[in-house]
Amino acid sequence: EIVLTQSPGTVSLSPGERATLSCRASQSVTSTYLAWYQQKRGQAPRLLVYGASSRATGTPDRFSGSGSGTEFTLTISRLEPEDFAVYYCQQYGSSLWTFGQGTKVEIK
Amino acid sequence: QVQLVESGGGVVQPGRSLRLSCAASGFTFSIFGMHWVRQAPGKGLEWVAVLWSDASKKYYGESVKGRFTISRDTSKNTLYLEMDSLRAEDTAVYYCARNGRDMVLDYWGQGTLVTVSS
Repeated sequence: EIVLTQSPGTVSLSPGERATLSCRASQSVTSTYLAWYQQKRGQAPRLLVYGASSRATGTPDRFSGSGSGTEFTLTISRLEPEDFAVYYCQQYGSSLWTFGQGTKVEIK
Repeated sequence: QVQLVESGGGVVQPGRSLRLSCAASGFTFSIFGMHWVRQAPGKGLEWVAVLWSDASKKYYGESVKGRFTISRDTSKNTLYLEMDSLRAEDTAVYYCARNGRDMVLDYWGQGTLVTVSS
């Protein structure tokens, strides 16, 4: 089973700042099958990025995904108040889906 | 619009069983695979199970294998999760989600809370 490790666990930033979230896999992941989700307090997760770098419908262009192999990144270019949330990476492989433990982006 | 509505959660004693339901609407249920994902209080997301669109294949996370069963009734546009031999560590909000392109979970329900406690 592929383990996804996200870092940092929590990041404190101000609106307007840039956020860089990391997702590291224990084995190489097919980029097609790497996704990012946003979860706000009390809400269900929402798909943000699929295929490592493609924005899902409705995802603002300040969100961008990149990476390959075992290293993936979600970047938020300029944080808006509604972006403070928890972000999860997720991969599919060998008929199993796994999530990272999440990165919380909190207001500084 | 796509809607997924879970139900069936509640408080159950350890060792007992519970069945969750997920009513789907706004899309052709029969052609999509469906997942269950759970989230323990204050914790991250844990994938639980998936069922292929034609119900030919189903896969489970290691922590629920042999205890949980995923199924679907296409005539009712409903996904189920039968949970047996429940343990305290199964306490979580359970979400159903649709399997979209590139094996992502593209739509999620609002979740239903299962509490396993004596």
